[in-house]
Amino acid sequence: DTGVSQDPRHKITKRGQNVTFRCDPISEHNRLYWYRQTLGQGPEFLTYFQNEAQLEKSRLLSDRFSAERPKGSFSTLEIQRTEQGDSAMYLCASSLGVFGPGTRLTVL
Amino acid sequence: GQQVMQIPQYQHVQEGEDFTTYCNSSTTLSNIQWYKQRPGGHPVFLIQLVKSGEVKKQKRLTFQFGEAKKNSSLHITATQTTDVGTYFCAGHQASGTYKYIFGTGTRLKVLA
Repeated sequence: DTGVSQDPRHKITKRGQNVTFRCDPISEHNRLYWYRQTLGQGPEFLTYFQNEAQLEKSRLLSDRFSAERPKGSFSTLEIQRTEQGDSAMYLCASSLGVFGPGTRLTVL
Repeated sequence: GQQVMQIPQYQHVQEGEDFTTYCNSSTTLSNIQWYKQRPGGHPVFLIQLVKSGEVKKQKRLTFQFGEAKKNSSLHITATQTTDVGTYFCAGHQASGTYKYIFGTGTRLKVLA
């Protein structure tokens, strides 16, 4: 247990459905990152929060992806109208690179 | 945009042999992090290097940050079967961004 939790750990959905993932970072860490990782690749940056402010978002991220971090605590990542290409492990990390266990998304 | 490459992509070694992975960035970095990821697991933070020419050691692991802050290396002395996994570097560009760009990773297999 790294202190960063993610829920759910696995999600199977049908193409076109919306999904939402949650990340609970270490409470005193004000930085929060979302990454996406596919098999055999390194994690790919999606977005960054400092407290509740979303300070950076990957240009690769389509408008189907949105993330929030209300009150600077937990964060959610929503994917609308999922596509098969969205299948990946979605990882959350807090300050100093502490990663959560990830949410594995499979889009059928 | 910024790119981070790692070589080799794969490395098989006999237990007890040494191992080195190299990380090269297309841009100058403010700092670099190293991670280890076991199969089926998530990246686990190993170390962060900040200063030009910095060398840090953790038991059998030695990390170096290049003088130009564009390259780095991880060296493992006398590998053990517990060292198996994929080693990633992640570079933070010197200015204008908060993101870390992960390298392509080096997958290490240790043969007993």
